[in-house]
Amino acid sequence: QQQVKQSPQSLIVQKGGISIINCAYENTAFDYFPWYQQFPGKGPALLIAIRPDVSEKKEGRFTISFNKSAKQFSLHIMDSQPGDSATYFCAARKGQKLVFGQGTRLTINP
Amino acid sequence: EADIYQTPRYLVIGTGKKITLECSQTMGHDKMYWYQQDPGMELHLIHYSYGVNSTEKGDLSSESTVSRIRTEHFPLTLESARPSHTSQYLCASSSGSWEQYFGPGTRLTVT
Repeated sequence: QQQVKQSPQSLIVQKGGISIINCAYENTAFDYFPWYQQFPGKGPALLIAIRPDVSEKKEGRFTISFNKSAKQFSLHIMDSQPGDSATYFCAARKGQKLVFGQGTRLTINP
Repeated sequence: EADIYQTPRYLVIGTGKKITLECSQTMGHDKMYWYQQDPGMELHLIHYSYGVNSTEKGDLSSESTVSRIRTEHFPLTLESARPSHTSQYLCASSSGSWEQYFGPGTRLTVT
């Protein structure tokens, strides 16, 4: 049973464009929603995170939009750069454990 | 950058061998985790620990075992490796904050 569903599986964006990755969840007990970035051969690294009492959080070019009623949240990468090419995972926390989405492989074409 | 280390980074081993994957962190975190990840795919929690002498199985069933004798050390052991164990194993740690810090992973291939 997939508790956090992520889409799309892969995404190609032109340099300077906006990358959008979406996630949906069912369990209302989740209380923290991070996004992780993973480069090949590396472990995931926290990119940005949001709590469910906030509708939007922005850090530089990265923005999380959170819709509590729809149980959906998304990552927006503005002015996408080739260095942003990586796999992105959304996650949701219950207790001290994280549940991860399936991942999105993002490619930014120069 | 988080101080969490995993060794070996790559391991190719034959079926039936016993292996131990090492994970150490120097941040004094009380919580530690092991995830299994096929390349580019989602992470599945296989073990976690909230402190010394505390270990629990995660959401994905695994034939591996773990121990937590010291705060900074959380090794994972496979008594008899099989080809189905081929995967990437990621270790992570956290304190009372929200963030989990990940190590670089061990890529295991069982032939």
